[in-house]
Formats: sequence, structure tokens, C-alpha cells
Amino acid sequence: EIVLTQSPATLSLSPGERATLSCRASQSVSSFLAWYQQKPGQAPRLLIYDASNRATGIPARFSGSGSGTDFTLTISSLEPEDSAVYYCQQRSLWYTFGQGTKLEIK
Amino acid sequence: EVQLVESGGGLIQPGGSLRLSCEASGFTVSSNYMSWVRQAPGKGLEWVSVFYSGGSTYYADSVKGRFTISRDNSKNTVYLQMDSLRAEDTAVYYCARHDSATPFDYWGQGTLVIVSS
Repeated sequence: EIVLTQSPATLSLSPGERATLSCRASQSVSSFLAWYQQKPGQAPRLLIYDASNRATGIPARFSGSGSGTDFTLTISSLEPEDSAVYYCQQRSLWYTFGQGTKLEIK
Repeated sequence: EVQLVESGGGLIQPGGSLRLSCEASGFTVSSNYMSWVRQAPGKGLEWVSVFYSGGSTYYADSVKGRFTISRDNSKNTVYLQMDSLRAEDTAVYYCARHDSATPFDYWGQGTLVIVSS
């Protein structure tokens, strides 16, 4: 099983700041890495697929990078509505999710 | 418009059975991969099972031998039959669409399963 480890567990930033979220895989997943946003009481929403491609309708302030075992989700200028839990997910070998990073907007 | 609507959740005693449904609209389930993903209260996401477009099915080790995924093309619906339920199966169960080239791009709203006596 491929284990995804996300860091930090919690991130507290102010509007307009830059957020950097990390996801590390226990073995290479090539570029088969996605990022999801989940708000309380809602289903996850796809943000980024194949490491760096924004999904339809996702604002340009969200970007992804990385390949192999190390990946990053960057939110360039935080908005209040970005407060959520963010999950990474790999589909290289079956499907596994990271444990999530909770992003709080001060 | 693509939509996924889950139903069938509820309170069930340990050892009991439940069948979840995921009705799709706006696309054909038989042309896509369809997965079930669950989320225990206050916890992260766990993939449960997949029904590939070609007909193959696979399960997470945690549910293998107890859960069965199926598909009714005439109803454009995917099911998850859950038997021998345990307390640790308590979760919101989501269905999600994906395929060989894309991750889970559409999700349903989820249905809550509570396994408790």
C-alpha cells in the first residue's frame, strides 16, 4: 500500500498570505497525484489532478507541483473561503488518501 | 449536468446488512469507473471499492469478503452491499466517478451509516 503523509497537520494563516501544503508518498506515484478540498458537511471537491493540472472551475490561485514522491499544493493569496481540509490522493497503485491538512484562515 | 445521489444509509446493529445506492445522471456509469469512499466521523477519507468500466471489481482489505459492489446499467446506478457490519464501518459513504485518465472528479453528497447496538 502506498502511504501518503501530509504536512503540516494544521495551518493558520491570514487572508492574502501564501499557503504551502506538502504531500509525501512512501514510493513513487509518478504524477498520479490529486488534491481535494473538503469543507464541513460537504463532499470533497477536486482541485488539482496529475500533480499540476487545475480541475474545471478552480481559481488560478490554486496550483500544484511535484512528481515521484514529493508534492506541493500552493494557494497564492488566501481568501476566507479557502478555509477547509485539504487531502492529497494517489491513483498510481489503487487509491489512497493522505490524512489531510486543516487550513484555517485567521 | 453530472449528479450522483446516494441513499440507503441508516442505523444498523453490528453483524447486520445494508445496501447503499448511488444513482447517476448526466453520464453513463458503465462508461466510467465508480468508487465508494468512506469517511468515519472526524476522520479522513478511505477508499472502499471500485467497479471498473470493464466489469472488474476490487476492494480495500478492510472490507474484502464483507462488502460487494455491483452495477445496474438499466438504472444507471451503482450499489454497495455491506454485510457483517462492524462498529468501525460507521462512516459517511460517498460514491465518486473516475476513470483511467482522471481522478475522482464528481462526488455524491454522501449517506451516513451508523453501526451500533
